Amino acid sequence: AQSVTQLGSHVSVSEGALVLLRCNYSSSVPPYLFWYVQYPNQGLQLLLKYTTGATLVKGINGFEAEFKKSETSFHLTKPSAHMSDAAEYFCAVRTNSGYSTLTFGKGTMLLVSP
Amino acid sequence: DTEVTQTPKHLVMGMTNKKSLKCEQHMGHRAMYWYKQKAKKPPELMFVYSYEKLSINESVPSRFSPECPNSSLLNLHLHALQPEDSALYLCASSQGQGLSPLHFGNGTRLTVT
Repeated sequence: AQSVTQLGSHVSVSEGALVLLRCNYSSSVPPYLFWYVQYPNQGLQLLLKYTTGATLVKGINGFEAEFKKSETSFHLTKPSAHMSDAAEYFCAVRTNSGYSTLTFGKGTMLLVSP
Repeated sequence: DTEVTQTPKHLVMGMTNKKSLKCEQHMGHRAMYWYKQKAKKPPELMFVYSYEKLSINESVPSRFSPECPNSSLLNLHLHALQPEDSALYLCASSQGQGLSPLHFGNGTRLTVT
């Protein structure tokens, strides 16, 4: 079975600082991994995805993530935080080969202070 | 703006009411999904429709009844709900293949009184 674990339910950074949100996966097959962001009172928006190929994946809003098989990790980073980045971030792994069903991590709330 | 539209945005219903949630997408996606999200929790899969047929039911109670009238529409009929069913209900769609990402609507915030 596939699963993801997000380390830290809350991460606080200052505006302009590096953002690092951690995600580790467990999968018996090559994983397909996703990061989604959820702003208050909204649905989830895809930030980026890893399926195959290049292990460094660039997404929207300046975010990127690196797939590291040796560490079973898919951490999300952004060089410089902006106030508008404050939101809930979910790491997810595809759970069914026939459909795009996802299993989500518990989420990490990113707080950005001025 | 999201390409998956959900109505209503908010819904308050009593335990004896019957109501429906609606979801619409015009991206030509052939798979549609219902997820349930409790406060400060991740979304949990409820149902998957593929090519208008119910493909996955994650052991959801029968008081939730999905319907897919056509490839663009997905409904969730609600009847005799419990207060613990209060949550954000998210609709999503995808092109239908396993690698295609989900596109989510903004959800319906449901409160059962």
